[in-house]
Amino acid sequence: KAGVTQTPRYLIKTRGQQVTLSCSPISGHRSVSWYQQTPGQGLQFLFEYFSETQRNKGNFPGRFSGRQFSNSRSEMNVSTLELGDSALYLCASSLGAGLSSSYNEQFFGPGTRLTVL
Amino acid sequence: QKEVEQNSGPLSVPEGAIASLNCTYSDRGSQSFFWYRQYSGKSPELIMSIYSNGDKEDGRFTAQLNKASQYVSLLIRDSQPSDSATYLCAVNPLLPNDYKLSFGAGTTVTVRA
Repeated sequence: KAGVTQTPRYLIKTRGQQVTLSCSPISGHRSVSWYQQTPGQGLQFLFEYFSETQRNKGNFPGRFSGRQFSNSRSEMNVSTLELGDSALYLCASSLGAGLSSSYNEQFFGPGTRLTVL
Repeated sequence: QKEVEQNSGPLSVPEGAIASLNCTYSDRGSQSFFWYRQYSGKSPELIMSIYSNGDKEDGRFTAQLNKASQYVSLLIRDSQPSDSATYLCAVNPLLPNDYKLSFGAGTTVTVRA
């Protein structure tokens, strides 16, 4: 079974621009979560989508947004980029629901490394 | 208080020894607990999940959960140089419709050959 894929793997943008990152989950997984990882703050939760609905949102400004498509693929968008947005953006997929306790086991993609100049 | 705290490390152990990693969490109602391994420059990889009090073993890894003490640990037996990585503890806080994972800062383990 193929793993989680993310595109692009690397991005360099300048302040004020916007960026869109893409994530394709493991086949059969309906939940996609997005995280930001920085050396200072560690892994911070951005938002989670299940069946095209945002179920959870972390404490990030409204410049960070996302969506999920009917095939479970997800995108996140960051508008008006700031220097502090430079980070590794990770998406993780899981079943998202089910009778087994393991429905929330999240599997990460390779990440998109965003550099804002 | 942080939701998930890990011993800060770094932790250096000789090859063949046991590495012991600790994690405490603040939400008493948490039900799902995970350990991830992250190599430098790579994304986190799920290595263990545990949901019930007690021990869970998988190969050289043992996860231990004590909900009363709000404590989860990971033991790595017969440590190998390939185990050198940062280990992240993740907890699913039990709130209605809350599916996010809260991560600790991680403990960096170095296995000396």
